[in-house]
Amino acid sequence: AQSVTQLGSHVSVSEGALVLLRCNYSSSVPPYLFWYVQYPNQGLQLLLKYTSAATLVKGINGFEAEFKKSETSFHLTKPSAHMSDAAEYFCAVSHNTDKLIFGTGTRLQVFP
Amino acid sequence: DTEVTQTPKHLVMGMTNKKSLKCEQHMGHRAMYWYKQKAKKPPELMFVYSYEKLSINESVPSRFSPECPNSSLLNLHLHALQPEDSALYLCASSPKAVAGGHTDTQYFGPGTRLTVL
Repeated sequence: AQSVTQLGSHVSVSEGALVLLRCNYSSSVPPYLFWYVQYPNQGLQLLLKYTSAATLVKGINGFEAEFKKSETSFHLTKPSAHMSDAAEYFCAVSHNTDKLIFGTGTRLQVFP
Repeated sequence: DTEVTQTPKHLVMGMTNKKSLKCEQHMGHRAMYWYKQKAKKPPELMFVYSYEKLSINESVPSRFSPECPNSSLLNLHLHALQPEDSALYLCASSPKAVAGGHTDTQYFGPGTRLTVL
């Protein structure tokens, strides 16, 4: 069965510091992988997605993620955090169904 | 137009009430989804409509009744809900409904915050 593990339910960084949010997946077939962001009392917004093309994927708001098959990982990074990046981040995997399998989420806090 | 809209934004209802949530998209997407999200949790899939037909029901109680009147509109009819049904209800759509293939990017609406008293 496909699954997603997000290590760290909470991550805190200082403004201007590197953001690293971890996501590991389990999939028996080549997956599609997604990162979504959710701001308080809002829906989910797509940050970026991997669909078996380039392994380094660039998304919105300066975020990027690298697909590493050998490590079954799809970690999200941003070189310099901004206060507006504070939100909940979800990694998700899809495979041979209509379903997205979500990780449990990581709450990012950014301190001035 | 790359937006999924949901109405109402907030809904308070008693356990004997009947209400409906509405979701609309004009992106030509042929797959539409209902999710339930509790606080500090990921969204949980409830229903999937593929080409206006119900394709997935994740064993949701019958007090939730989905309806897809046309390719742009998705409703969720609520009746005799319980307080534990209070949550954020999210609608999403995706460009193609896949059978045996990867689901494409899902675009989410802002949600309806439901409180059941």
